[in-house]
Formats: sequence, structure tokens, C-alpha cells
Amino acid sequence: DGGITQSPKYLFRKEGQNVTLSCEQNLNHDAMYWYRQDPGQGLRLIYYSQIVNDFQKGDIAEGYSVSREKKESFPLTVTSAQKNPTAFYLCASSIDRVNTGELFFGEGSRLTVL
Amino acid sequence: DAKTTQPPSMDCAEGRAANLPCNHSTISGNEYVYWYRQIHSQGPQYIIHGLKNNETNEMASLIITEDRKSSTLILPHATLRDTAVYYCIVRVAGTASKLTFGTGTRLQVTL
Repeated sequence: DGGITQSPKYLFRKEGQNVTLSCEQNLNHDAMYWYRQDPGQGLRLIYYSQIVNDFQKGDIAEGYSVSREKKESFPLTVTSAQKNPTAFYLCASSIDRVNTGELFFGEGSRLTVL
Repeated sequence: DAKTTQPPSMDCAEGRAANLPCNHSTISGNEYVYWYRQIHSQGPQYIIHGLKNNETNEMASLIITEDRKSSTLILPHATLRDTAVYYCIVRVAGTASKLTFGTGTRLQVTL
């Protein structure tokens, strides 16, 4: 089945450690996105990529990094510079940036910093 | 993108229609209205979108007022599985990167 796969579903990290969250899609979508969600809050955009080897900062990019070396993959690294990394992270994709706005989301990765 | 206002929570009896309102009084002429929902601890799911005409699909109906300052998402026969947070979003076509999710409406469907 086509879709977006995020891994791991749950992740624990010690303070000061970097961690990378995986996001893979087999929908042949050009655009991919990373959002962060805190308890009881909406989603905030971290980074997005419209095409391979290109990405832009979203609203809360500080302390995060991404790469887009392949169309189907858009990993997110949460660095030690991110002050409050404990959150629910959601990856999404869309056909392209000028599409009608239908985003397809993965099931999310829940990161807890101990 | 225009800001939206939604009630924080609503209840609906199973089998009845759920009508979820959204106010977007500052919407621009080229901004679409989108609805997504998020079931607890899952990724959001696209439901429906529209510009100015009413829209219907297999999941829901979207009613947009003539002045486009508000809209209503209708789930015609709510079930327990429709319990979720519903997000109303407005955005300009071609700017998917700026899709902004507020806190939405938490719909509780009860027996």
C-alpha cells in the first residue's frame, strides 16, 4: 500500500544527544514536510522540501536539520541545540507545492528526552 | 494566511449529524478552506476543501457562507470513530508549506 512510514514510533534520548527520525514515502510525491506537535497544541512547521536536494526552514527550524537526497526520504535530525525536543513529530507529503493542499501524514514519532 | 476560530470542543450523539463551525472573517479571495481531523496520537487526515462552492465527498460536506467569512463541516451520521480533533485551515493555493494548524475542535461522539 502507498503511504508514509515514520520510524521509530517511540524514541527516548538523553540530553545532549542528537537523534534522527526517519520518514519514507512511496507515493511519488515531490513535497515533504516535518511538523512538531506539543500536548494540546496544533502543528507547527519545522522544515519542508519541494524537490530533491532542496529544503526550506519553516516556522520553528532552530535546533533541527534535514536532508533530501532521495525523493522518497526526508529524515529529520533533532540536535542538542533544540532546547525542548520532547514532542510528537509528524512527517507529511503532498504531490507538489502547488497542489490543492492535501497533505498525507505519517503516524508520527514520539520523542522523549530524559 | 487568514486566521481561523473554532470552538474548543463539541459533543454529538452517535447517528446524528455533527456540525462543526469555523470562522475565517479575514479570508482573502484566493484562500481555500481546508478541513483535517486528527484521531488521538495519529497523523492528521485530510477531509475536504473548498473555495466558495459547497462541497461533498464520501466523508463529509463543507458549507461555505456566501461572504466566505465562515464555514461548517458536516458529518451526516457521526459514529464513535469520528471522535477526533477537527482542524479548519485557510491557505492560498500554491502555498502548502504554510499550512497552519491551530488547536481545532475536539469532537466527542457519544452513544
